[in-house]
Amino acid sequence: ELKVEQNPLFLSMQEGKNYTIYCNYSTTSDRLYWYRQDPGKSLESLFVLLSNGAVKQEGRLMASLDTKARLSTLHITAAVHDLSATYFCAVVLDYGGSQGNLIFGKGTKLSVKP
Amino acid sequence: GAGVSQSPRYKVTKRGQDVALRCDPISGHVSLYWYRQALGQGPEFLTYFNYEAQQDKSGLPNDRFSAERPEGSISTLTIQRTEQRDSAMYRCASSPVYGYTFGSGTRLTVV
Repeated sequence: ELKVEQNPLFLSMQEGKNYTIYCNYSTTSDRLYWYRQDPGKSLESLFVLLSNGAVKQEGRLMASLDTKARLSTLHITAAVHDLSATYFCAVVLDYGGSQGNLIFGKGTKLSVKP
Repeated sequence: GAGVSQSPRYKVTKRGQDVALRCDPISGHVSLYWYRQALGQGPEFLTYFNYEAQQDKSGLPNDRFSAERPEGSISTLTIQRTEQRDSAMYRCASSPVYGYTFGSGTRLTVV
């Protein structure tokens, strides 16, 4: 059974500071997604990481994937209030080469304070 | 359509009633997924389809839950004899081959 663990689950940051959210998963998978969810809203895709060593950056967010360690990180640089949201990592459960379902972590609720 | 459309947006039902939740995926998307999200939690997988074939239903909590996608497009998730514990946001996602686009969800409240 594929399990996905995120930490921390809650994160309160000051504006301008840096921080990293961690996502560990329990079995082999070579595709990992990061999503953002604002209160009452749907899931917005941020990044898809497809291979070991993949790194993607968008604005103040940077995501990386280490498939050997089964670890992904989401790094926040110089946080701003607009980044306040819940961030989910999700790992694809493969079915013999075809895409299967996503298994989500519990989410990290990020609050950026002035 | 331009995105994944779910209806209704909100559904309040009495305990013991049956409900049907609808998902209209992005046109041409092969795969369709159903998830349930409790407040403050991550989405929990329920079931998914490739075309009209149900590939995995291991996440359905019990036999009161069922889903179909008869023509490989629109899907319906049916919950029979609803219970209060079924209250949650039910989300649908569709996928062409890789990547997932989520709908806005149906908020189900069982009273």
